[in-house]
Amino acid sequence: EPEVTQTPSHQVTQMGQEVILRCVPISNHLYFYWYRQILGQKVEFLVSFYNNEISEKSEIFDDQFSVERPDGSNFTLKIRSTKLEDSAMYFCASSERGQETQYFGPGTRLLVL
Amino acid sequence: AQKVTQAQTEISVVEKEDVTLDCVYETRDTTYYLFWYKQPPSGELVFLIRRNSFDEQNEISGRYSWNFQKSTSSFNFTITASQVVDSAVYFCALSEAGGGNNRLAFGKGNQVVVIP
Repeated sequence: EPEVTQTPSHQVTQMGQEVILRCVPISNHLYFYWYRQILGQKVEFLVSFYNNEISEKSEIFDDQFSVERPDGSNFTLKIRSTKLEDSAMYFCASSERGQETQYFGPGTRLLVL
Repeated sequence: AQKVTQAQTEISVVEKEDVTLDCVYETRDTTYYLFWYKQPPSGELVFLIRRNSFDEQNEISGRYSWNFQKSTSSFNFTITASQVVDSAVYFCALSEAGGGNNRLAFGKGNQVVVIP
């Protein structure tokens, strides 16, 4: 069964460093998303992406964040200058169409020291 | 404003007992979608069910069942004859169709602990 994959599974970085989180959505899906979950809290929407552009972003998704689909399979989230409060689990998701079920990847646990 | 409320933070049950998780949502849209996801201790988010606002039929899938009531804006989830493998955090989520938004708004989750 097709699934969303994410790399790396864990990332430790120093405050102020740039990180890139990678995702490979399900191949026939057209909508891609990033969410984050701070430890012990609920899952929060960051951004959605369709047709090679951001379709919606939350107030969390400020200028430090960017997304890109560099090729036909990868979807990345970049955090330019990480802060301690960026430590969280980051989930990528994809859906075949808008409003369809979003399938989540296993997540990348980011720890900023 | 919180759009999805899951009031019970942690629920402990003894194996084989039933457990019901409450989800109350808030939206002004007439078209919306409701979801339940399971997050086991390993951390991934596993899709369980999607329901659109026009389909109020209750659904049963094995030991899982869902009760959707628009009149009370609730989409409750019951696990029948719970098993240890059901121990997880369960999230209810809402997607509103208005404005082309696809974001999922999650509740805070219900931590279910099944005691053998």
